Amino acid sequence: SQKIEQNSEALNIQEGKTATLTCNYTNYSPAYLQWYRQDPGRGPVFLLLIRENEKEKRKERLKVTFDTTLKQSLFHITASQPADSATYLCALEDPQNKLIFGAGTRLAVHP
Amino acid sequence: DTGVSQDPRHKITKRGQNVTFRCDPISEHNRLYWYRQTLGQGPEFLTYFQNEAQLEKSRLLSDRFSAERPKGSFSTLEIQRTEQGDSAMYLCASSLLTGVQETQYFGPGTRLLVL
Repeated sequence: SQKIEQNSEALNIQEGKTATLTCNYTNYSPAYLQWYRQDPGRGPVFLLLIRENEKEKRKERLKVTFDTTLKQSLFHITASQPADSATYLCALEDPQNKLIFGAGTRLAVHP
Repeated sequence: DTGVSQDPRHKITKRGQNVTFRCDPISEHNRLYWYRQTLGQGPEFLTYFQNEAQLEKSRLLSDRFSAERPKGSFSTLEIQRTEQGDSAMYLCASSLLTGVQETQYFGPGTRLLVL
């Protein structure tokens, strides 16, 4: 079955730096992969979707890459701000077309 | 507000009691999902509906759990004879499946504490 691996350790960075989060999957390559943000006590919020035939997707300060050879997606936040502090979840579809989520990586941006 | 709503937001109950949660999805969305999330973990799939049909249930969903979506709009998740291990955040999400691509929109969740 598909497994999604995200760094369980929190990522601590200084304001203004670029944060890079990693999502690895173990089995088949999905048709698309998604990134969500989750704040404490709240539901996840959709950020970006990248398809298997797209190498890179950008939205404002966010950039996502998708490497089906490495079975990996990278999520970048440039010029990070303390307001970017949250848990970021990677999700991809399973063969039944439902999403599977990783455990998420907590990002802390320090002033 | 046209987002996904869930009620209640918090529920404290005693072991052995039954609880029911409600989810109101975004109105035009045809899919509705229930997830459970515990601290430090991502959402775990429980079950989902396409319109009023329940298409899949996770093995996590014991026979104490039942979900309905009677008219293809709102959904309820009932847990009977609650156990302390049921304590978690229960999230609902809805989506509009178009072709093969799907983005889910989550509600704020219902936090359940079983004493």
